[in-house]
Amino acid sequence: KAGVTQTPRYLIKTRGQQVTLSCSPISGHRSVSWYQQTPGQGLQFLFEYFSETQRNKGNFPGRFSGRQFSNSRSEMNVSTLELGDSALYLCASSFDRDSPNYGYTFGSGTRLTVV
Amino acid sequence: ELKVEQNPLFLSMQEGKNYTIYCNYSTTSDRLYWYRQDPGKSLESLFVLLSNGAVKQEGRLMASLDTKARLSTLHITAAVHDLSATYFCAVVNDYKLSFGAGTTVTVRA
Repeated sequence: KAGVTQTPRYLIKTRGQQVTLSCSPISGHRSVSWYQQTPGQGLQFLFEYFSETQRNKGNFPGRFSGRQFSNSRSEMNVSTLELGDSALYLCASSFDRDSPNYGYTFGSGTRLTVV
Repeated sequence: ELKVEQNPLFLSMQEGKNYTIYCNYSTTSDRLYWYRQDPGKSLESLFVLLSNGAVKQEGRLMASLDTKARLSTLHITAAVHDLSATYFCAVVNDYKLSFGAGTTVTVRA
């Protein structure tokens, strides 16, 4: 069974650029959520999507955005990159909360470095 | 806002001895998760705890949940080197996982 696939694995970008990260969930999972992990702030929630609808959003500036497609794949975009955006970005997929199998599986992450 | 506190943040364990990691959370939730993270890697699911009094065991790890006290524990029995990692607890609320700061475990001979 294929896991959660995140691409690319590594990215180096320059301040001011924008970046798009991709996440393909486990087959059958319709919920995709994104997290940022940094040494200073730990794991922080970015947003969650279910059936192409954003159901919750974390406390991040508007430069961070996301979307979900009809096949449940999700992308997140960060515009006007800042040095502080350097982090490991993790995507998690799950069944909906009413499912008895409700649980979160994480992808391998995208390591973004902003220089 | 849901807050999740773990302690200790760092744990130096001696091989063969037993230790416990604690996870307190501030708001009612119907699920608590434990994850393991190796350096530079993603999060690996260890346990999902669904109800009060739930206890799950896998190898040398055992997790329990007390929803009334809003407390979960991760107990490590007879520590071995390959348990060295960072362990996170997380609580779900409103489609969002809130994580503790993590406990970095180092096992020494």
